Amino acid sequence: DIQMTQSPSSLSASVGDRLTITCRASQSINSYLNWYQQKPGKAPKLLIYAASSLQSGVPSRFSGSGSGTDFTLTISGLQPEDFATYYCQQSYSTPYTFGQGTNLEIK
Amino acid sequence: EVQLVESGGGLVQPGGSLRLSCAASGFTFSSYWMSWVRQAPGKGLEWVANIKQDGSEKASVDSVKGRFIISRDNAENSLYLQMNSLRAEDTAVYYCARGPANWGSFDYWGQGTLVTVSS
Repeated sequence: DIQMTQSPSSLSASVGDRLTITCRASQSINSYLNWYQQKPGKAPKLLIYAASSLQSGVPSRFSGSGSGTDFTLTISGLQPEDFATYYCQQSYSTPYTFGQGTNLEIK
Repeated sequence: EVQLVESGGGLVQPGGSLRLSCAASGFTFSSYWMSWVRQAPGKGLEWVANIKQDGSEKASVDSVKGRFIISRDNAENSLYLQMNSLRAEDTAVYYCARGPANWGSFDYWGQGTLVTVSS
């Protein structure tokens, strides 16, 4: 199985900040990497697919990059509604696996 | 508007069975792979199983193989998960998700249904 490791596991930031979350795969997954946002008590929401493609309706302050084993999610200009948990997911092969999550909190 | 609505969760004893359902609307259900993803209380996300558009291909995580069966009824726009021999570690919110879709992503999710396995 492909292991996905996110860092950091938690992060404190302020409105307006620019931040980056990293996701590393245990083997090359090309660009088969997706990012999700989840708020407490809610279902996950797809933000980015194919490592860097913005899902329809997602604000442009979210961006993704990377290929192979190393990927990043960047949020430029944090908004109050962005405080949530973020997960990466590899879709290169089954079993599809997720990172452990990054909990973004308000500083 | 795409909608996925799960039902069938509840409290079940270890070794028991439960069948989850997911009613889909707002898109051509028969054109998409569909999946179940679960989340144990306070934990991360775990993909459970998926099924091809016509039901001819299925895959699941090792921990549920031989116990859980994914199926679909395209005439009813419904996805199912038959869960047998349930264990405490199967306790989770179970989400129905559309996908794998673009590049294997899950682009729409239901609100989830809670399954609790406990005596």
